[in-house]
Amino acid sequence: GAGVSQSPSNKVTEKGKDVELRCDPISGHTALYWYRQRLGQGLEFLIYFQGNSAPDKSGLPSDRFSAERTGESVSTLTIQRTQQEDSAVYLCASSLVPGKYQETQYFGPGTRLLVL
Amino acid sequence: SQQGEEDPQALSIQEGENATMNCSYKTSINNLQWYRQNSGRGLVHLILIRSNEREKHSGRLRVTLDTSKKSSSLLITASRAADTASYFCATDRAWGSTLGRLYFGRGTQLTVWP
Repeated sequence: GAGVSQSPSNKVTEKGKDVELRCDPISGHTALYWYRQRLGQGLEFLIYFQGNSAPDKSGLPSDRFSAERTGESVSTLTIQRTQQEDSAVYLCASSLVPGKYQETQYFGPGTRLLVL
Repeated sequence: SQQGEEDPQALSIQEGENATMNCSYKTSINNLQWYRQNSGRGLVHLILIRSNEREKHSGRLRVTLDTSKKSSSLLITASRAADTASYFCATDRAWGSTLGRLYFGRGTQLTVWP
């Protein structure tokens, strides 16, 4: 595809339910990132996948959050037992192989999650 | 802690005026990037400046980097209403962090009035 795609665009769920968010990176991009952005705030790093290396999960806020990536393609971010404070826009980005000089990150349009 | 911090948090100007946004960071970096975000959706990359560069231009954008002060500025000249957006700086870290990870500031909300 031409860019990073994310689905769904919007998700409304009830507190306590599980949700799964999907990201399709740009073909050929080995690095994939998930961020969370609360209303009016900056980007909060969640997790980073790079090729076959172990992912950097240091940004995941709790064990209710997990993410997987299949090879160098699709990634899913799962939030279990959602809480109201999980309401935010979840952004995915991908980039070419990052080296000492950072490659540009290309962002998807985000998934807006609302937990009632 | 957050690596980049933008200043001001909000900026409101008239069309045709120049807009200047600043970013400060805390640790040594390899490069710094500026991104733009419309309406809380995906970010769009604007410009990247490396640690050995002092100034870079792209169209109406001018970015400066002062590594001694750990700061950068983004200047938008002859602003247009369509420039209304949030602008974020993002840095990597030269040492002690995962390769490829970026650290974003909280952003500057720019409003350009017609």
